[in-house]
Amino acid sequence: DSGVTQTPKHLITATGQRVTLRCSPRSGDLSVYWYQQSLDQGLQFLIQYYNGEERAKGNILERFSAQQFPDLHSELNLSSLELGDSALYFCASSSRFEGTYNEQFFGPGTRLTVL
Amino acid sequence: AQKITQTQPGMFVQEKEAVTLDCTYDTSDQSYGLFWYKQPSSGEMIFLIYQGSYDEQNATEGRYSLNFQKARKSANLVISASQLGDSAMYFCAMREGSNFGNEKLTFGTGTRLTIIP
Repeated sequence: DSGVTQTPKHLITATGQRVTLRCSPRSGDLSVYWYQQSLDQGLQFLIQYYNGEERAKGNILERFSAQQFPDLHSELNLSSLELGDSALYFCASSSRFEGTYNEQFFGPGTRLTVL
Repeated sequence: AQKITQTQPGMFVQEKEAVTLDCTYDTSDQSYGLFWYKQPSSGEMIFLIYQGSYDEQNATEGRYSLNFQKARKSANLVISASQLGDSAMYFCAMREGSNFGNEKLTFGTGTRLTIIP
């Protein structure tokens, strides 16, 4: 168990809908990352937050947005869903202490199926 | 251009044998980090080992070691005495730049390792 929790574990929805994926980082970790794993695109970085602020952005679609709350949990919002958005969405967290290499601990993922 | 290349889509290895999973990378940064993650069929991503670009020694973690050849830009994972539980997808990943900058990981396409009893 990495200490990172994600809910829900599975999500099935229809095209055009909006969903929210939730992530709680490990205790004490200030950085949260979101990744998407799909068959055609592989594992791709979406976005990173550090202590509530957006730190880095990857290949995140405009239909997707994220935020990190004061209690450090994060939510990834996916709207106007398309079939191609079906994927496994991972949240990861890391600490940012000097001298460490910032290993990212991954949650179990949320499997999104868009029908 | 691919930043992380894993050329072996699948490998079959006899139990108790050693196995090397290949990873080459491309970066112009002097400071970077290389990671290996394991993804079993259950789907979770498990961190295995890390190598920093300035580390002079190859990293080791139990049965895992990283064969780091900086000039060749390769960071191969070696698993000694393979076990049935090692059957999984293995991903090589890179973090470019310093620890306190852009910390995203770029992943390779993975290698599916199957251990044969």
